[in-house]
Amino acid sequence: ETGVTQTPRHLVMGMTNKKSLKCEQHLGHNAMYWYKQSAKKPLELMFVYSLEERVENNSVPSRFSPECPNSSHLFLHLHTLQPEDSALYLCASSPYVGGVFDEQFFGPGTRLTVL
Amino acid sequence: GIQVEQSPPDLILQEGANSTLRCNFSDSVNNLQWFHQNPWGQLINLFYIPSGTKQNGRLSATTVATERYSLLYISSSQTTDSGVYFCAVERNSNSGYALNFGKGTSLLVTP
Repeated sequence: ETGVTQTPRHLVMGMTNKKSLKCEQHLGHNAMYWYKQSAKKPLELMFVYSLEERVENNSVPSRFSPECPNSSHLFLHLHTLQPEDSALYLCASSPYVGGVFDEQFFGPGTRLTVL
Repeated sequence: GIQVEQSPPDLILQEGANSTLRCNFSDSVNNLQWFHQNPWGQLINLFYIPSGTKQNGRLSATTVATERYSLLYISSSQTTDSGVYFCAVERNSNSGYALNFGKGTSLLVTP
């Protein structure tokens, strides 16, 4: 138990669906992150939020839309996804004391399958 | 972007053996981290190590930033050490923040 929870743990959706992934951290951290982990590829950083403001967006397609309403919650809204978007989506949080990528605590991930 | 290469890609050890995992990177970095992902997908930060050596129990890491590599040592390996070990390098610039991961070393420790 890392103090970071993600729901749902598994999600199957069609290409025309709209769904959202949720992440919650109970650690009092200031920064939250979304990562994508595809088979046979390195982890990819998608978004970074610090104090609810987005500080990084690594050329992620607009069909992924993040939202950080407060420092404890992070959402990833999904719409009109493609089959190649199937992956494990990981959320993380950090204290953001030493730097943008301070020690990060990861959630268990959401396994997304796009049909 | 910066290239991160990890070796070996796969490793099988018998319980009790020692091992060294390597991470090479192609440019100067602000920081380097090592992570472990267990067979169930949970990712844990092991070390935050821009330079020098750190130890945590049976694990230790050394980063030689001037030569652009880092090593992760696992001593007296246990079956619970199985999983994938990732190295990630942080490179910040005027154009933004970047954390680039290697493809990982997949470790299996057998009883």
